[in-house]
Amino acid sequence: GDSVTQMEGPVTLSEEAFLTINCTYTATGYPSLFWYVQYPGEGLQLLLKATKADDKGSNKGFEATYRKETTSFHLEKGSVQVSDSAVYFCALNSNSGNTPLVFGKGTRLSVIA
Amino acid sequence: EAGVAQSPRYKIIEKRQSVAFWCNPISGHATLYWYQQILGQGPKLLIQFQNNGVVDDSQLPKDRFSAERLKGVDSTLKIQPAKLEDSAVYLCASTPETGGGSPLHFGNGTRLTVT
Repeated sequence: GDSVTQMEGPVTLSEEAFLTINCTYTATGYPSLFWYVQYPGEGLQLLLKATKADDKGSNKGFEATYRKETTSFHLEKGSVQVSDSAVYFCALNSNSGNTPLVFGKGTRLSVIA
Repeated sequence: EAGVAQSPRYKIIEKRQSVAFWCNPISGHATLYWYQQILGQGPKLLIQFQNNGVVDDSQLPKDRFSAERLKGVDSTLKIQPAKLEDSAVYLCASTPETGGGSPLHFGNGTRLTVT
């Protein structure tokens, strides 16, 4: 079945550091790919998405490119802030039928000033 | 627009007791999901509704979990009897449509602790 593998956390970075959170997936066909973020005490929020190969999703300085050849959707940000501290989830959704989102285990990011 | 509403926010019960969670999706959203998020793991789908019909409940432990979505709007998820391993955050999400590319809108979840 479909699955998502994320890099293990926690990740601790200093403010203004470069961030990469790796995400790879296994799926039949051509899924849509998502990054969700969960800030402390809040629900999951959509951060960005890409629906086809080579698409780049971007939001709030975060980017991720849908790489079909490497089945990856790595999340990047050039300069993190303390306010980016959260748990980040990679997820996929098959483009066929009524299939739900499948999530990775999440990566906790802590940014220190 | 108002977001997905869930209640209660927190619940503590003893094992073998029963508990119910409530979710009101975003108005007009036809598809509703219940996910279970155990600490340190990603959300896992329990059940998916399309309007008031069940689309996928293959991962719902039906011997103790039940869910309904009467009238295709709000939904309740029940656990009876609860076990220690049911301790988790129960997330409700909705989307106006199904299929690829449709982002889910999540509520803040109900944190259940079973002692």
